[in-house]
Amino acid sequence: QVQLQESGPGLVKPSQTLSLTCTVSGDSISRYTYYWSWIRQPAGKGLEWIGHIYSSGSANYNPSLQSRVTISVDTSQNQFSLKLSSVTAADTAVYYCIGGPNRYYFDYWGQGTLVTVSS
Amino acid sequence: EIVLTQSPATLSLSPGERASLSCRASQSVGTSLAWYQQKPGQAPRLLIYDASYRATGIPARFSGSGSGTDFTLTISSLEPEDFAVYYCQQCSNLLTFGGGTKVEIK
Repeated sequence: QVQLQESGPGLVKPSQTLSLTCTVSGDSISRYTYYWSWIRQPAGKGLEWIGHIYSSGSANYNPSLQSRVTISVDTSQNQFSLKLSSVTAADTAVYYCIGGPNRYYFDYWGQGTLVTVSS
Repeated sequence: EIVLTQSPATLSLSPGERASLSCRASQSVGTSLAWYQQKPGQAPRLLIYDASYRATGIPARFSGSGSGTDFTLTISSLEPEDFAVYYCQQCSNLLTFGGGTKVEIK
């Protein structure tokens, strides 16, 4: 069974770029015909889908974030990543990486990583 | 954007009781709806997809029903480990989540 683990800076300054990596274990990421997704959750609040990338490399993003988001896959490192530019305090949240065979439902989750945007 | 409204915000019940959680969509989503359970400090877990199909390993006491704009997650008899927050999610038009229902011990 696939396992995922997020990593990256826990503190990012306003206007900078948030960069997170999700390491996939269990098998080579290229052997999974999975969708690799990111979802975030501000403290005490609900869930927001950020976007996903398919094994083929095609990506889809939440329109509300599309101008600032890039999701990519690095098969050599067995990782996929999230970049969110021009961050503000509103981007402070726990960020989850998810993998699964279904484009629309989220099966396998990382434990989540808290990112705080503050100067 | 399709808005999902969950009710009640909090449900206070005792172990062994039946729980019924509601999720209402601002427009029809067909059966493109899922339910997730989240415990404090943990990632959400997929319970139900396509409105009524249990995900792998989910106990039979969890069931989902509904179509169109009105959906229900039912827990037939609450176990101690079922006290958590539950979210619905639609995938008919983009992907959005409801605000959650907290099931707490009475």
